[in-house]
Amino acid sequence: GNSVTQMEGPVTLSEEAFLTINCTYTATGYPSLFWYVQYPGEGLQLLLKATKADDKGSNKGFEATYRKETTSFHLEKGSVQVSDSAVYFCALSGASNTGKLIFGQGTTLQVKP
Amino acid sequence: SQTIHQWPATLVQPVGSPLSLECTVEGTSNPNLYWYRQAAGRGLQLLFYSVGIGQISSEVPQNLSASRPQDRQFILSSKKLLLSDSGFYLCAWSARGGRQRAETQYFGPGTRLLVL
Repeated sequence: GNSVTQMEGPVTLSEEAFLTINCTYTATGYPSLFWYVQYPGEGLQLLLKATKADDKGSNKGFEATYRKETTSFHLEKGSVQVSDSAVYFCALSGASNTGKLIFGQGTTLQVKP
Repeated sequence: SQTIHQWPATLVQPVGSPLSLECTVEGTSNPNLYWYRQAAGRGLQLLFYSVGIGQISSEVPQNLSASRPQDRQFILSSKKLLLSDSGFYLCAWSARGGRQRAETQYFGPGTRLLVL
């Protein structure tokens, strides 16, 4: 079945460091791919998405490219800030019209000043 | 614009007591609705989803139930809470797919439940 695997955290970086959070997936068909962010004590917010191969989603300095050949959707940011500290979830859409998403286990990012 | 509300924000309940969490969506019609649970430091577990009034699908057997009495209202309930029901409960909605796949989910602020 469809699944999402994220790198284990926590990831600890200094401010202005480069960020990569790896995400790989297994899916039949052509799912859409998502990154969600969860700040402490809050619900999830959509960070970015890509709906087809080679699409690049971007938002707030974060980017991820839908790579079908490597079944990956790695999240990157060139220079992280303390305010980026959060839990990041990679997800893919199911094939049906139920809208169900399959989430990775989440990766905690801690950015230190 | 669409908004999603959850209440209460925080709840402390004794073991064996009943539970009712409410989620409402504004600014859209016929949404798909979802209940998730997030245990401390863990990922998301999909509990229930609904594609229409009175239509509930359960993802995992458990002590909880869900109902959708109105198009934009989704309720999570329990008759008797267990300690293991503690967690952060998130409601989400997505646009009904029709001929298109329903995709992006939008989450509410969550309810933190502590069962003692």
